[in-house]
Amino acid sequence: QITLKESGPTLVKPTQTLTLTCTFSGFSLSTTGVGVGWIRQPPGKALEWLGIIYWDDDKRYSPSLKSRLTITKDTSKNQVVLTMDNMDPVDTGTYYCAHRDTTMIFGYWGQGTLVSVSS
Amino acid sequence: QSVLTQPPSVSAAPRQKVTISCSGSSSNIGSNYVSWYQQLPGAAPKLLIYDNNKRPSGIPDRFSGSKSGTSATLGITGLQTGDEADYYCGAWDGSLSARHWVFGGGTKLTVV
Repeated sequence: QITLKESGPTLVKPTQTLTLTCTFSGFSLSTTGVGVGWIRQPPGKALEWLGIIYWDDDKRYSPSLKSRLTITKDTSKNQVVLTMDNMDPVDTGTYYCAHRDTTMIFGYWGQGTLVSVSS
Repeated sequence: QSVLTQPPSVSAAPRQKVTISCSGSSSNIGSNYVSWYQQLPGAAPKLLIYDNNKRPSGIPDRFSGSKSGTSATLGITGLQTGDEADYYCGAWDGSLSARHWVFGGGTKLTVV
């Protein structure tokens, strides 16, 4: 059974760095083809893909956010970490992590964590 | 403005059929598989369709997907009130070295 769960601060100040952790179970991020992606959703708005990290440490980022994002993994802890620099109120939203394998892209999602950016 | 274009809303009566379109370009839908996601109110998205027309285990065959050229379509038959949700299409975009995932703007389905 694959599960993912996001954790991190619920409130950050403008210009601060956001660090979110995705802790997962039921799969290994060292298995060929597996990846964990990050997706966010501002309140009442559409999904926005942020990036993904693969089993081989290959990483892909949203072109519009690439300069602010870093995704890393700790295979031994079954965790993936997202950092986003220079947070702004427009970055307020629910942040999800999701599982990817060779057949299904984002077939499993975490419950999401709401992050508010405010001074 | 999303890279993939969906109608903001669609509606249909219970037991009827509805289709949701997703329009893209040669760099995304035209050259990659399409996935569809259902997001019920207050919940995380759920994968409905992958590889254009395949359903994950547990997804009823009332849900179907198709693709033609640079557009994709999600079909839902036998509509139920429980199908009221936001639906998103998604696909890879860009060249291999700059590949990134894109979502559509979402379509709100109302079953009236």
